[in-house]
Amino acid sequence: AAGVIQSPRHLIKEKRETATLKCYPIPRHDTVYWYQQGPGQDPQFLISFYEKMQSDKGSIPDRFSAQQFSDYHSELNMSSLELGDSALYFCASSAGAARLGANVLTFGAGSRLTVL
Amino acid sequence: SQQGEEDPQALSIQEGENATMNCSYKTSINNLQWYRQNSGRGLVHLILIRSNEREKHSGRLRVTLDTSKKSSSLLITASRAADTASYFCATYNSGGGADGLTFGKGTHLIIQP
Repeated sequence: AAGVIQSPRHLIKEKRETATLKCYPIPRHDTVYWYQQGPGQDPQFLISFYEKMQSDKGSIPDRFSAQQFSDYHSELNMSSLELGDSALYFCASSAGAARLGANVLTFGAGSRLTVL
Repeated sequence: SQQGEEDPQALSIQEGENATMNCSYKTSINNLQWYRQNSGRGLVHLILIRSNEREKHSGRLRVTLDTSKKSSSLLITASRAADTASYFCATYNSGGGADGLTFGKGTHLIIQP
C-alpha cells in the first residue's frame, strides 16, 4: 500500500540558507500535517492543511511557510535557516480534517535537516 | 496548549516480560492515541482509544484510559526485542482545538534479549 512519501530524506544546509521539503500524502487523504522533532524531543506540530487550505497552525516559526497544492502534495519552505532548525521533519496525512473526527495520522519516514 | 507526559522516560526490561508505560494529559480530549517510533524513523500508529472508552486491546497491546485522572497506560505483553522503540501518547483537544496531535515526551523502551 502507498505510504506518505517525503523528500529529500536528508538535507544539509548552511546557516541563512533556504530549504524546501516535500510531502506526498496517501492517495485520497486530503489533510496534511507537518511536525518537527528535535534530537531526543517529542514531535511538535507545525501546521496542517485540509483541502488545500491552511487548517491550523502550531509552533511554526515565521521564517517557515507551507502550502498544499491541487494534487494534495505539500511543501514546507524554510528560510534564514538557523542551527536550531536541525531536526527531523515529519509529514503526516489523514482522510478528513482531524478536528472532525478521531483521525489516525499516517506518518512519512521524515526528512532530516542538518544546518551547519 | 495541552501536552501529554510519558512515564517512565526510559524503560529496560527482559524479553518476555510485560512493559507498562503511562501518559498524563492536562485538558479534555476527544481521543488518545499511542504511536511507536523506531530510532530516527517515522511514527507508526498503534492504537486509539476514545474518551468514552476505558480499555482497548489490540494483539499484545492493552490501553487504558482514565479521563477522571487524565491518564492512560499502554501495556505490551510478552515483550520482544523488536518492541524496542520510543512510544508516544498523543491527543486531540476536544472543543475545537488544534488539528494537530499533541505528543507527549515519549518513553524509550529497551527490550533486552
